[in-house]
Amino acid sequence: EPEVTQTPSHQVTQMGQEVILRCVPISNHLYFYWYRQILGQKVEFLVSFYNNEISEKSEIFDDQFSVERPDGSNFTLKIRSTKLEDSAMYFCASSDRGPAFFGQGTRLTVV
Amino acid sequence: ILNVEQSPQSLHVQEGDSTNFTCSFPSSNFYALHWYRWETAKSPEALFVMTLNGDEKKKGRISATLNTKEGYSYLYIKGSQPEDSATYLCASSHGNQFYFGTGTSLTVIP
Repeated sequence: EPEVTQTPSHQVTQMGQEVILRCVPISNHLYFYWYRQILGQKVEFLVSFYNNEISEKSEIFDDQFSVERPDGSNFTLKIRSTKLEDSAMYFCASSDRGPAFFGQGTRLTVV
Repeated sequence: ILNVEQSPQSLHVQEGDSTNFTCSFPSSNFYALHWYRWETAKSPEALFVMTLNGDEKKKGRISATLNTKEGYSYLYIKGSQPEDSATYLCASSHGNQFYFGTGTSLTVIP
């Protein structure tokens, strides 16, 4: 069964460093999303991406964040200068307008 | 960003009890309503997708209904089991976007 894969599963980084979270969506899907969940809090929408551009983004998705689809298969989330409060589980999802399929998540720990 | 509300926020039930949760969503530009089951440390698992007013879906002991006119969906679990303990998320899609609710955390006590 096709699945969304995310790498790495766990990333520890120092405050102020850049991180890139990688996602490989399901191959025929056209809509891509990043969500995050800070420990003990609700799921938060970050950004959606369609047709090689951002279609919507939340207030959380400020200038520190960017997304790319560099090669037609990967979908990356970059955080330029990480803050302690960026520590969370980051989930990538893709869909073809049906149910979204989620990856297993990347646990980002900023120290 | 549209507001999708779920209630209750958390629920503790005894094994064998039946239970239900609510998801309310805006009706503008509505396309579909999704229910997900999210166990701790795992990624969300899609349970149901419903698009039409009056839709009902069933998967084992879990079922869901959709009312698009008033903007709500119910998820029912019959005869809860400990393995049903999870967070149940709903999401409504409007246009090309998904909007998630805050989730209902269910704990089934053996």
